[in-house]
Amino acid sequence: GAVVSQHPSRVICKSGTSVKIECRSLDFQATTMFWYRQFPKQSLMLMATSNEGSKATYEQGVEKDKFLINHASLTLSTLTVTSAHPEDSSFYICSARERTHQWNTEAFFGQGTRLTVV
Amino acid sequence: AQSVSQHNHHVILSEAASLELGCNYSYGGTVNLFWYVQYPGQHLQLLLKYFSGDPLVKGIKGFEAEFIKSKFSFNLRKPSVQWSDTAEYFCAGSDRGSTLGRLYFGRGTQLTVWP
Repeated sequence: GAVVSQHPSRVICKSGTSVKIECRSLDFQATTMFWYRQFPKQSLMLMATSNEGSKATYEQGVEKDKFLINHASLTLSTLTVTSAHPEDSSFYICSARERTHQWNTEAFFGQGTRLTVV
Repeated sequence: AQSVSQHNHHVILSEAASLELGCNYSYGGTVNLFWYVQYPGQHLQLLLKYFSGDPLVKGIKGFEAEFIKSKFSFNLRKPSVQWSDTAEYFCAGSDRGSTLGRLYFGRGTQLTVWP
């Protein structure tokens, strides 16, 4: 299957600072990328849908100004956690789909980023 | 609203036992359904998917799932589990009518297989 790469895999930052997480599709063009958050022992919660060249679509309850998403190219989307606080500590996962407007395509997942805010 | 639910939170089995993990979905329209597995420390991997056609879907590693529209279910099965199947299993669905293709996940089922 296609490869989605996330970087960094782990990051520790101080409270109040911002952290950027990158998600790249390595061997295909991803018109749409998705950002999830996974709490320990819980499911993946969809945060937002990132469309290349346009604004992201955020799920209800997700702060747009807190979690900035940029999808500048067909192979790269970034999630920036601004003014991070300890409660933002979590596992963030991205996924990407090729040929979004076809219904029979699957999403491929990155390996995730473990964010710890101290 | 779209949702996917998994009722088994933690399943413990001995090797060679049969497995069935429940998954129910709630969608207004036509749905695509998936099962993913997450081994400790690794990323999500697709086990199998259902888009259309034969409701009995066969995936990797001997897993299969059956789409039963009347029951809104997509249960995962394996006739004989192995120790290496110990992992977290997630059922997910997407609304085919949505061009965004957003995936919604169940809360996951932790499978522990004893050797």
